[in-house]
Amino acid sequence: GAGVSQSPSNKVTEKGKDVELRCDPISGHTALYWYRQSLGQGLEFLIYFQGNSAPDKSGLPSDRFSAERTGGSVSTLTIQRTQQEDSAVYLCASSSATGELYEQYFGPGTRLTVT
Amino acid sequence: GNSVTQMEGPVTLSEEAFLTINCTYTATGYPSLFWYVQYPGEGLQLLLKATKADDKGSIKGFEATYRKETTSFHLEKGSVQVSDSAVYFCALRERGQNFVFGPGTRLSVLP
Repeated sequence: GAGVSQSPSNKVTEKGKDVELRCDPISGHTALYWYRQSLGQGLEFLIYFQGNSAPDKSGLPSDRFSAERTGGSVSTLTIQRTQQEDSAVYLCASSSATGELYEQYFGPGTRLTVT
Repeated sequence: GNSVTQMEGPVTLSEEAFLTINCTYTATGYPSLFWYVQYPGEGLQLLLKATKADDKGSIKGFEATYRKETTSFHLEKGSVQVSDSAVYFCALRERGQNFVFGPGTRLSVLP
């Protein structure tokens, strides 16, 4: 079946512009995660959606970052007034809360470059 | 809160050498444990997993055993190949909670 998809795959933007990154999770997965991976670094948790519960936003680095999940499916991560330090690969993952081992399935990521 | 600690990399080995990547965790309950791998230029993918104490996850020669007494989930492979060069992430998840990832360990295997 279809996996997690993300768009765009690459995004180059000028400092100060807003960007939107999209994630389509695996159908039926109730949990959705956003992570950031800077060059040579590990995964930095950003935000977590689980069903209809309030999202866990504890990882968002500043109020320039926000995310929505519409209809319990597609999610959009928005970065306002981008800065050069926002350059990274943004990864989305989904998980079935009812799955036996709750593993995450990752999308290919969106590489964001802020110039 | 929960946390995952991995050995610092990079780890450089010759082909056919034995591999160990240490992973220890801190959790309040009984988490499931995972190893994810990220090959160059690719996304993360699940390598193996274990859900309870003494479970052993294994695939393609990689193994990891869930050791509750030492809160560890070390990754091992008896004979590495050049194609195993990647970044390896240890992770945990408790029911109803978020995933927690370690910082990753970069492995380079030389021919």
